[in-house]
Amino acid sequence: KAGVTQTPRYLIKTRGQQVTLSCSPISGHRSVSWYQQTPGQGLQFLFEYFSETQRNKGNFPGRFSGRQFSNSRSEMNVSTLELGDSALYLCASSLDPGTNNEQFFGPGTRLTVL
Amino acid sequence: AQKITQTQPGMFVQEKEAVTLDCTYDTSDPSYGLFWYKQPSSGEMIFLIYQGSYDQQNATEGRYSLNFQKARKSANLVISASQLGDSAMYFCAMRGFNDYKLSFGAGTTVTVRA
Repeated sequence: KAGVTQTPRYLIKTRGQQVTLSCSPISGHRSVSWYQQTPGQGLQFLFEYFSETQRNKGNFPGRFSGRQFSNSRSEMNVSTLELGDSALYLCASSLDPGTNNEQFFGPGTRLTVL
Repeated sequence: AQKITQTQPGMFVQEKEAVTLDCTYDTSDPSYGLFWYKQPSSGEMIFLIYQGSYDQQNATEGRYSLNFQKARKSANLVISASQLGDSAMYFCAMRGFNDYKLSFGAGTTVTVRA
């Protein structure tokens, strides 16, 4: 079974630009979550989607948005990039976000904003 | 809201020895799950072990075991017989009942010496 895939793996953008990151979950997984990882703030939850519905959102500005498609693939978008958006963005999928279901993570997209 | 505390920023361990990584948590949820993930320098988060709050026995997965002390709100990870490939960052995380996100600790960097 293929794991969680994320594209692109690396991205360099300049301030003010926008970026779209893609995540394909493990086949059969309907829940997709996004996390931002930075040296200063650690791992922070961005949002979670299940069956194309956003069910939870972290404490991030409106510049961060996402969506999920009918095939469970998900995208996240960051508009008007700032230097502080430089981070590793991790996507995770799970069968059902029940308490005892682990989230399987992808390799991440490393975004650098210049 | 959940809070995870990992007080050890970094640890050194000799190959073939055991190492214990500390994790304490705080939550008001009566039901929750505790997770440990490993993150090598490549960036991908690798699931190691899960412990449910109502599980009577401590979880074990190969060389990984979780020392769960519910009254003390601690969930320490024990890695036995350390290998050079265990060198990585280790994160403790939790998810509350009907919570769609993982809350992570700051992580502990483990370096295994030959």
